[in-house]
Amino acid sequence: GAGVSQSPSNKVTEKGKDVELRCDPISGHTALYWYRQSLGQGLEFLIYFQGNSAPDKSGLPSDRFSAERTGGSVSTLTIQRTQQEDSAVYLCASSDRDQPQHFGDGTRLSIL
Amino acid sequence: AQSVTQLDSQVPVFEEAPVELRCNYSSSVSVYLFWYVQYPNQGLQLLLKYLSGSTLVKGINGFEAEFNKSQTSFHLRKPSVHISDTAEYFCAVSSFSGNTPLVFGKGTRLSVIA
Repeated sequence: GAGVSQSPSNKVTEKGKDVELRCDPISGHTALYWYRQSLGQGLEFLIYFQGNSAPDKSGLPSDRFSAERTGGSVSTLTIQRTQQEDSAVYLCASSDRDQPQHFGDGTRLSIL
Repeated sequence: AQSVTQLDSQVPVFEEAPVELRCNYSSSVSVYLFWYVQYPNQGLQLLLKYLSGSTLVKGINGFEAEFNKSQTSFHLRKPSVHISDTAEYFCAVSSFSGNTPLVFGKGTRLSVIA
């Protein structure tokens, strides 16, 4: 498709389980970003990829969070041993050179 | 470090009335400024951007914003709102135009009343 695609759109899981969230950026976009949107914290930056490398991981809230990007395209955000405070909408965005970021519709994660 | 303050968390306005959503930013370096809109259960859609040049920027859906460097503001305006403009609006800054993370304000919920 023409836009950023995220899957799943909704994910419900039990506390303590691991989850994987996927992002397919716009074809050709070299930069990829993960953000988290929650009621108490607003929109927070998590991690940024340029190609396959992550020059800025400063926003990852704990070592339970990790992300990778392969082939300069698809990215996966993994949360291990989920906690209730991880419940949020996880948004992915991509951009190319000096262009603004384009966002996907997000994954709504609910931890029971 | 950069920060963004959206002064109003909620703005109710009657249909066909004008609206202004306020945004102030703080930064020690030159910034690029953006407004995004978020409709329920959707991601963020770019409304408009300021990178350089004219300080009055026109965007989609009849919105415009004015960059004021001395007041460090980037307020969003529309002369006549529609019911369909009901959404959450986010102001954001970045150090460069594209490949750096955005810093967002807390958002302003615009509710258009018929």
